[in-house]
Amino acid sequence: AQSVTQLGSHVSVSEGALVLLRCNYSSSVPPYLFWYVQYPNQGLQLLLKYTSAATLVKGINGFEAEFKKSETSFHLTKPSAHMSDAAEYFCAVSKRDDKIIFGKGTRLHILP
Amino acid sequence: NAGVTQTPKFRVLKTGQSMTLLCAQDMNHEYMYWYRQDPGMGLRLIHYSVGEGTTAKGEVPDGYNVSRLKKQNFLLGLESAAPSQTSVYFCASSPGGGAGTQYFGPGTRLLVL
Repeated sequence: AQSVTQLGSHVSVSEGALVLLRCNYSSSVPPYLFWYVQYPNQGLQLLLKYTSAATLVKGINGFEAEFKKSETSFHLTKPSAHMSDAAEYFCAVSKRDDKIIFGKGTRLHILP
Repeated sequence: NAGVTQTPKFRVLKTGQSMTLLCAQDMNHEYMYWYRQDPGMGLRLIHYSVGEGTTAKGEVPDGYNVSRLKKQNFLLGLESAAPSQTSVYFCASSPGGGAGTQYFGPGTRLLVL
């Protein structure tokens, strides 16, 4: 069975500092991996996804994630946090023609 | 191009009442999903559909029913609402399973008293 673990339900970083949100997955076959973002009172929207092409995936708003098979990780990073990055972030995993399994989410707080 | 829309945006029910949540998408997507979001629980899949006329159970289907009579619409029904069904409900659509990006609606806040 597939699963996703997001380390830290809340993460706080200072404006301008590095953002690192951690995600580990388990899957019996090579997975598809996603990061979605949810701004307050909105639905989720896709930040980026890994579908077995390049292991370093670039997304919107300056975010990127690296697929590391040996570590079963897909951590999300951004070099410099902006106040507008404050939101909840969800890591997700799926297999071919299967449902997506979402992690429990990490709320990112940006400190001025 | 409205994307995914949900009706209503907010609803208050009394225990035992019934209601239907409507999801509509204008992207001609085959797959549609209903999730519930509760604090600290992430998103949990209730039911989903892989095409017009099809439905399947997700992770937490009990107390809910769904129908997909038209490709663009996916209805979620609560026959007898319970306080445990107080949640935010999200609909999503996707061109395909697996690697397909899911497009989410704005959500419906449901309070069951």
